[in-house]
Amino acid sequence: DIQMTQSPSSLSASVGDRVTITCRASQGINNYLAWYQQKPGKVPKVLIYAASTLQSGVPSRFSGNKSGTDFTLTISSLQPEDVATYYCQKYNSAPFTFGPGTTVDIK
Amino acid sequence: EVQLVESGGGLVQPGGSLRLSCAASGFTFSTYSMNWVRQAPGKGLEWVSYIDRGSSAIYYADSVKGRFTISRDNAKNSLYLQMNSLRAEDTAVYYCASGIPAAPRVSDYWGQGTLVTVSS
Repeated sequence: DIQMTQSPSSLSASVGDRVTITCRASQGINNYLAWYQQKPGKVPKVLIYAASTLQSGVPSRFSGNKSGTDFTLTISSLQPEDVATYYCQKYNSAPFTFGPGTTVDIK
Repeated sequence: EVQLVESGGGLVQPGGSLRLSCAASGFTFSTYSMNWVRQAPGKGLEWVSYIDRGSSAIYYADSVKGRFTISRDNAKNSLYLQMNSLRAEDTAVYYCASGIPAAPRVSDYWGQGTLVTVSS
C-alpha cells in the first residue's frame, strides 16, 4: 500500500506568517490528494481536493500544490482561527489513507 | 441543511459486534458516495470504508477487511457499518461522511460521530 507522510509533525508560527505543510506519497497518486482541517474538539473539514482545488467556502489564504509525489498546503497569512491539525488523504485507489497530521498553533 | 447523525456506538467486549447507523437528511442521499472514518482517542484520522451511491463500489481498510461490512439503504437515507470480531484497537469515534460530487471519495459533510469502546 501507498504510505503517506507529513512534515513537520507540528509547527508554531506568528499571526500573518506564511505556513507550508508537506505531504509525501510513497508512490505516484496523480493529483488524488485532499487536505482536511480539524480544529480542537471539532469534526474535520475538507479544505482542498484534487491537490489544488479549493472547496467551496474555504478562505483563499489556503492553497494546495503538487510536485511529483510531494504535495503542499500553504496558508498565506496565518490567522488565529487556523489553529488546528491538518491531514492529507490520498484517494486514487483504496485504501484512502490519511497522513499522520500536522498540528499548527500560534507562537 | 445537510445533516448526518450517527448512532449505535457503545461499550462492547472484545470479539463482540455492533452495527452503526448514519441517518442522512437535507440532501439527496442516493446520489452521494459515503465514507466511514474513525479516530481513536487522541489520535489521527483513519479511513475505514467507502461505498458509492449505488453500492457497486465498496472498499475497506486492511485493518477492518473481513470483519466490517458497509451498506446503505437509499430508500431510508441511511448508511450502516456492521462491525464483527471487534478488537481493542477498534476503539474510536466513528464518523460517517458524504462525498464531494466532483470527488466522491473525498469526505465533505461529516456527522458528529459515535463512540465505540471495545473493552472487557
